[in-house]
Amino acid sequence: EIVMTQSPATLSVSPGERATLSCRASQSVSSNLAWYQQKPGQAPRLLIYGASTRATGIPARFSGSGSGTEFTLTISSLQSEDFAVYYCQQYNNWPLFGQGTKVEIK
Amino acid sequence: QLQLQESGPGLVKPSETLSLTCTVSGGSISSSSYYWGWIRQPPGKGLEWIGSIYYSGSTYYNPSLKSRVTISVDTSKNQFSLKLSSVTAADTAVYYCARHRDGMDVWGQGTTVTVSS
Repeated sequence: EIVMTQSPATLSVSPGERATLSCRASQSVSSNLAWYQQKPGQAPRLLIYGASTRATGIPARFSGSGSGTEFTLTISSLQSEDFAVYYCQQYNNWPLFGQGTKVEIK
Repeated sequence: QLQLQESGPGLVKPSETLSLTCTVSGGSISSSSYYWGWIRQPPGKGLEWIGSIYYSGSTYYNPSLKSRVTISVDTSKNQFSLKLSSVTAADTAVYYCARHRDGMDVWGQGTTVTVSS
């Protein structure tokens, strides 16, 4: 059974700074990895699929990388609207989410 | 623009069956190569995929919930539905429907279901 582990649980970042979020799979999921952003009271929003492809309408400051078991979501310069919880999700077999990383204002 | 909307009772008694429907508008549920899924989020917790269905009717479910879950599709109404049996308080959550292929790109707004007597 695959386990998805995100780190850190909470990331404190100042506006304008870079944020780097990690997601690790307990076994290879190839590039079948997506990232989502969720704000309080809202449904998740797809940011990245295929580990590195931005979804429609997603700003270029969001980028994804990795394959196999190690993945990274980078937000190059945090804007006020980027403070939220971020989830990774593998879809190599049945969909499985990580536990989330909360990005908060430092 | 494709939109999804969940509907169903907000309160379900323990041991009963939770039933929700997702109505798809602005597009056809019969679009090829997309799955239509249910995801839930308990209060203050993360996301859990429940199961998904293809327009043809083929389904796949989260192994941890499989014994209690049934997902069906009604292409004539452009809807798909979730039934979760023998619910307990642990099934209290916001339930979302979503379209997915490579990632879940369109989501409903979510509906809160509370399990309580």
